Amino acid sequence: EPEVTQTPSHQVTQMGQEVILRCVPISNHLYFYWYRQILGQKVEFLVSFYNNEISEKSEIFDDQFSVERPDGSNFTLKIRSTKLEDSAMYFCASTPQGVLNEQYFGPGTRLTVT
Amino acid sequence: AQKITQTQPGMFVQEKEAVTLDCTYDTSDPSYGLFWYKQPSSGEMIFLIYQGSYDQQNATEGRYSLNFQKARKSANLVISASQLGDSAMYFCAMREGGTSGSRLTFGEGTQLTVNP
Repeated sequence: EPEVTQTPSHQVTQMGQEVILRCVPISNHLYFYWYRQILGQKVEFLVSFYNNEISEKSEIFDDQFSVERPDGSNFTLKIRSTKLEDSAMYFCASTPQGVLNEQYFGPGTRLTVT
Repeated sequence: AQKITQTQPGMFVQEKEAVTLDCTYDTSDPSYGLFWYKQPSSGEMIFLIYQGSYDQQNATEGRYSLNFQKARKSANLVISASQLGDSAMYFCAMREGGTSGSRLTFGEGTQLTVNP
């Protein structure tokens, strides 16, 4: 069964450094998402992406965040200057076009900012 | 106001018994979808079950069923015949709007522990 993949599984970085989290959505899916989950808290929406542009973003998704689909398969989340509070699990998800389909989640990248 | 409310931070159930995890939601959109995800201690998000706002019947997927009460805006998850492997965090989520591109809004989650 096709699945969403994410790399790396765990990333440790120093405060102020840039990180890029990578995702490969399911190949025939058209909508892509990033969510984050701070340890012990609920999952929060960051951004959705469709047709090579951002379709929706939350108030969390400020200027330090950006997303890109550099080729036909990868979907990346860049954090330009990481802060301690960016430490979280970051999930990528994708969904095909259709009526109210489930969002298929990747296994997540645990980001630790020190 | 919270769009998704899960009032049970933790629940305990004996193996082989049924358990209900509560979820209430708030939306003015007539078209929406309700989802339940399971998050084991390993961290991944596992889709369990989906209910559309226009669905006439309650959704079922194996041992999972969704008790959808539209007038009360509740979408409780029922797990029958609990197994030790069901111990996990369970999240209720909602997507509003008629397109599949809308964001999911999650509740705070319920930590389920299945006792042997």
